[in-house]
Amino acid sequence: AQSVAQPEDQVNVAEGNPLTVKCTYSVSGNPYLFWYVQYPNRGLQFLLKYITGDNLVKGSYGFEAEFNKSQTSFHLKKPSALVSDSALYFCAVRLNSGYSTLTFGKGTMLLVSP
Amino acid sequence: GAVVSQHPSRVICKSGTSVKIECRSLDFQATTMFWYRQFPKQSLMLMATSNEGSKATYEQGVEKDKFLINHASLTLSTLTVTSAHPEDSSFYICSASVGTGGRNEQFFGPGTRLTVL
Repeated sequence: AQSVAQPEDQVNVAEGNPLTVKCTYSVSGNPYLFWYVQYPNRGLQFLLKYITGDNLVKGSYGFEAEFNKSQTSFHLKKPSALVSDSALYFCAVRLNSGYSTLTFGKGTMLLVSP
Repeated sequence: GAVVSQHPSRVICKSGTSVKIECRSLDFQATTMFWYRQFPKQSLMLMATSNEGSKATYEQGVEKDKFLINHASLTLSTLTVTSAHPEDSSFYICSASVGTGGRNEQFFGPGTRLTVL
């Protein structure tokens, strides 16, 4: 079985400050890891993914995430938050071999204040 | 990039009626399509997985006769909510998968907001 934990329901940060949205995962094998963002009444937009290679993954809109195998984490980060980054963020995992469906975390609401 | 569309984006219906939601991959052929349901402020819950020309595989707890899935072609899957009731009100999101094996990628549609009165 695979699972994703996003321990924070909400993260508050001031515009211009760095932000971190936490994600840890559990999977029986090597993972593919994803971050998605969802704006109100919209579908999911892909931000970035880790497949293999460099542990630091850079994605859309200035976001990045670091894969840490020993801590089974894949935290999302951005050096300087924008008010427009305010949205719901989902971390997801699937196995990197064979056929496996995506398992999503419960989501973290990011609120960036002006 | 790969684009997935859903129609309608929003639907309001009376209790007891059936509603069909379409999911299309616009610029690629999807080997597999997925249907998710999302309740307010909650995560996406996988309802079913469908492959073109074969029966959908439903997740535990999802009623097959309630949520009919047809995957007629490599670019179109439909979800029909039969005899809808207010508790079926939700945000339904589809995704389409490209590729096979471990490297297949999913692309998500914009979602359909269903409100059953």
